[in-house]
Amino acid sequence: AQTVTQSQPEMSVQEAETVTLSCTYDTSESDYYLFWYKQPPSRQMILVIRQEAYKQQNATENRFSVNFQKAAKSFSLKISDSQLGDAAMYFCAYRSGNTGTASKLTFGTGTRLQVTL
Amino acid sequence: DGGITQSPKYLFRKEGQNVTLSCEQNLNHDAMYWYRQDPGQGLRLIYYSQIVNDFQKGDIAEGYSVSREKKESFPLTVTSAQKNPTAFYLCASTIQGPGKNYGYTFGSGTRLTVV
Repeated sequence: AQTVTQSQPEMSVQEAETVTLSCTYDTSESDYYLFWYKQPPSRQMILVIRQEAYKQQNATENRFSVNFQKAAKSFSLKISDSQLGDAAMYFCAYRSGNTGTASKLTFGTGTRLQVTL
Repeated sequence: DGGITQSPKYLFRKEGQNVTLSCEQNLNHDAMYWYRQDPGQGLRLIYYSQIVNDFQKGDIAEGYSVSREKKESFPLTVTSAQKNPTAFYLCASTIQGPGKNYGYTFGSGTRLTVV
């Protein structure tokens, strides 16, 4: 079974600075997808960024980018120019590319990000 | 606008009582999921369904039941057999198929508390 590990329960960053959230995963598959979700105090889960394992290029979405290291099974999220609205719980998630797995997502335990002035 | 609607937002259950959490989507998504969220444990999969009239157990299905009579609806019943039901419950849906990497769309959740 796949596992996702987020080793940083809490992180803090100053406004306008850059922060990197770590995520590692364990899998024997070669075809899979990785995601970062944001959960603000409202508890609504919001998709931040996604990465297909077959793509070598790291995904970027405005101020959010990932560092995908397939061999190391690492998928970190970098938030640039941090804003107060970035304060939230961030979850890393894994999905198998095997169509027989019903697109189930496996989540890490989350990293709570604080943004300070 | 398309989306997923979960109701109620807050639910209180007495000991020994069954309660049902509603999840409705108008996204025409094939697959639907129920997750439980507890502090420090991330999201854990309870049940999922890929098509109407079919559903599968997830990692923590004991004490829960579901039905999928319509594509749009996937209600979750928390039975009296669930010993620790106080948690935040999230419903999600997605499009299925090879190469379809759309991630999940989530509802806004239901907070269940045992009183």
